[in-house]
Amino acid sequence: GQNIDQPTEMTATEGAIVQINCTYQTSGFNGLFWYQQHAGEAPTFLSYNVLDGLEEKGRFSSFLSRSKGYSYLLLKELQMKDSASYLCAASDSNYQLIWGAGTKLIIKP
Amino acid sequence: GAVVSQHPSWVICKSGTSVKIECRSLDFQATTMFWYRQFPKQSLMLMATSNEGSKATYEQGVEKDKFLINHASLTLSTLTVTSAHPEDSSFYICSARIGGRGEAFFGQGTRLTVV
Repeated sequence: GQNIDQPTEMTATEGAIVQINCTYQTSGFNGLFWYQQHAGEAPTFLSYNVLDGLEEKGRFSSFLSRSKGYSYLLLKELQMKDSASYLCAASDSNYQLIWGAGTKLIIKP
Repeated sequence: GAVVSQHPSWVICKSGTSVKIECRSLDFQATTMFWYRQFPKQSLMLMATSNEGSKATYEQGVEKDKFLINHASLTLSTLTVTSAHPEDSSFYICSARIGGRGEAFFGQGTRLTVV
């Protein structure tokens, strides 16, 4: 079956760096998405990886290893507003999105 | 990025009534739209895929007669929750993907409370 695994919750300190991991098993693969979702709001797009390697976008970076079925989202210089859930989603051979359960990130002062 | 607009943002209704939620793609044509529901502290659960001009494809366990989906144009899909019950209270979110393959653009979501 198809499956996405990511930690349920993580805690980090303001100004620090945090890495949120995601492993996936899908029938075929057409890319890996990361979304941010604040409580009570809809998800917003953060990044997309389809080739191996690191994609950097400001304070946020995303990494993909297709051979390992593994991705991570790296958040630098954490701010209180980064407190949110981070959703990992893999696109399978039919381009259907398979969603992880999300990682709730708690930022402490 | 592309814009998807969802309306209403929140609605309170009485048990037994029906509620219609609209999802519009404002600056692109969406032949396919997706309807999700999300319970507190849980991830997105795909309910159905809405296909323009044809019947929606429902996920296993989702009652098609209870959650009516209509995708009459390339920019509008509607979800009607019929004979709503308190257990239908949830956060409903629509999304669309350009060409059906790229990133998903989400509507603002609709908080439904059935009393």
